[in-house]
Amino acid sequence: DIQMTQSPSSLSASVGDRVTITCRASQGFYNYLAWFQQKPGKVPKLLIYSASTLQLGVPSRFSGSGSGTEFTLTITNLQPEDVATYYCQKYNSAPRTFGQGTKVEIK
Amino acid sequence: QVQLQQWGAGLLKPSDTLSLTCAVSGGSFSGYYWTWIRQPPGEGLEWIGDITHSGSTNYNPSLKSRVTISVDTSKNQFSLHLTSLTAADTAVYYCARGSLVASADYWGQGTLVTVSS
Repeated sequence: DIQMTQSPSSLSASVGDRVTITCRASQGFYNYLAWFQQKPGKVPKLLIYSASTLQLGVPSRFSGSGSGTEFTLTITNLQPEDVATYYCQKYNSAPRTFGQGTKVEIK
Repeated sequence: QVQLQQWGAGLLKPSDTLSLTCAVSGGSFSGYYWTWIRQPPGEGLEWIGDITHSGSTNYNPSLKSRVTISVDTSKNQFSLHLTSLTAADTAVYYCARGSLVASADYWGQGTLVTVSS
């Protein structure tokens, strides 16, 4: 089974910063990679699918890229409301594994 | 507007069986895979498994021996059964709509299931 590893596990950045989260797969696969945002006490929310397609209603400061074994989520111009934990997930085939999460905080 | 509403017992004892049901409204029931995901307190998301409207299932290998996901297309509902519970199964359980287009795009509200004697 393919394992998904996110880095870093947590980060602290200032408002307005550019933030990058990486998700690495133990084996390559086509771009069935999604990113989710989970705010404290809330249901996870789909941000990006197919590695780079923004879900409707998601602010354009979020973007995704990558293919094969390495994928990235970038938040440009970090906002206070972006404080959350972010998860990647491969969904091309079962098991549809999540990464362990990256907690983003504001300095 | 697609909505997923889930329900089930929230407090169970070790060795009990967890049973949760998720009702889908506002959209097509076919063409998707209907998913269960869980999250232990303070931890990350764990994919449990999914089922299509025709009843084809996939399970997380780590839970496969204890999990059954079933579907009732007449009610647009799907269910999760997890047997032989231990404290390690304490988690918030989510149902979600999945597809190869956009992964899990709609989620239920979550149900906290606590396993304690």
